[in-house]
Amino acid sequence: KAGVTQTPRYLIKTRGQQVTLSCSPISGHRSVSWYQQTPGQGLQFLFEYFSETQRNKGNFPGRFSGRQFSNSRSEMNVSTLELGDSALYLCASSLSSPNQPQHFGDGTRLSIL
Amino acid sequence: DQQVKQNSPSLSVQEGRISILNCDYTNSMFDYFLWYKKYPAEGPTFLISISSIKDKNEDGRFTVFLNKSAKHLSLHIVPSQPGDSAVYFCAASGSGTYKYIFGTGTRLKVLA
Repeated sequence: KAGVTQTPRYLIKTRGQQVTLSCSPISGHRSVSWYQQTPGQGLQFLFEYFSETQRNKGNFPGRFSGRQFSNSRSEMNVSTLELGDSALYLCASSLSSPNQPQHFGDGTRLSIL
Repeated sequence: DQQVKQNSPSLSVQEGRISILNCDYTNSMFDYFLWYKKYPAEGPTFLISISSIKDKNEDGRFTVFLNKSAKHLSLHIVPSQPGDSAVYFCAASGSGTYKYIFGTGTRLKVLA
């Protein structure tokens, strides 16, 4: 069974640009969540999508947005990039019933110059 | 406000001994708890979970204990192996929220 796939694995951008990251969940998983990981900060929750709707949102500025398609694939967009956006962005998928573990992709390493 | 805390950034254990990783939480609405292991350049891998209706869950070498009154959970790894060397994250979720809050991680080093 294929795992969660994130593309691209690495990305280099400059300040002010925008970026789109992609996530394909495990087949049958309809909940997709996004996290930002920076050194010393653990995994910070960005948002969660289910059935093409944002169901939960973390405490990130509006520059961070996402969407989910009918096939459950999800994209995350960051506009007007800042140096502090340099991080590992992780996507996780899970079944939609309560108390189900999330399964993670290997992430996209975003570096802002 | 860090609702899930892992106060030990690192831990070293001899191979074959027990590793105990600790996690504290502040939100009494959390009712589902998980542990993940993360190697460099990989995403976190799910290890084990526990629901708040239980106080212990076991899976092979891994056991998670939950103390609801103390808002504390721990992961025991017995016996520890060098391949267990990784960063371990605990996470918590509230009833029906589908939102998971992670701790900052504990780096475990198992010495051969």
